[in-house]
Amino acid sequence: GQQLNQSPQSMFIQEGEDVSMNCTSSSIFNTWLWYKQDPGEGPVLLIALYKAGELTSNGRLTAQFGITRKDSFLNISASIPSDVGIYFCAGQTGANSKLTFGKGITLSVRP
Amino acid sequence: NAGVMQNPRHLVRRRGQEARLRCSPMKGHSHVYWYRQLPEEGLKFMVYLQKENIIDESGMPKERFSAEFPKEGPSILRIQQVVRGDSAAYFCASSPVSGGANYGYTFGSGTRLTVV
Repeated sequence: GQQLNQSPQSMFIQEGEDVSMNCTSSSIFNTWLWYKQDPGEGPVLLIALYKAGELTSNGRLTAQFGITRKDSFLNISASIPSDVGIYFCAGQTGANSKLTFGKGITLSVRP
Repeated sequence: NAGVMQNPRHLVRRRGQEARLRCSPMKGHSHVYWYRQLPEEGLKFMVYLQKENIIDESGMPKERFSAEFPKEGPSILRIQQVVRGDSAAYFCASSPVSGGANYGYTFGSGTRLTVV
């Protein structure tokens, strides 16, 4: 089945640093999404990407939809303590509504 | 404008009992999706429903699991004769139209099922 790969499993950065996360797939997706999950909560949508090559920003977050439609990256600039959480990428083929999620990257920010 | 409401937040069941998880979509949303999350894993799709119809159940286990979204009331995910492997967080999401994520796919806070 379809799989999204996120690595490493955990990242540790200093407050104020930038961080970049990648997500790759062996399958093509027509929509890429990035979610953040806090402990005990559901995922919250950060950025949605609908076109290959698209670069989209949301505050300190920037994400790009890879030109091959098989990858995406998320950048967080000038990290702050509340950026701590698990970041998931998700892909959608478009023919149906289900999302395929990666396993997530746990981000820790040292003050 | 309330978000997607799931209850209970935590549910403990003994092996062999039934678990019923409820999801009320956002106001105006008629499409509901159920996902399961095991510890340190991403969310796995289970089922997609519209009012009174199951659209895609390709992620549902063949036995013991069922889902409904009646004309009135919340969507229900039902797990019969629970086993320890059913212990997970179950998330519901809703959207106003099909093609879910393109139009804002909102997740609830989840129900954490523990089977003892």
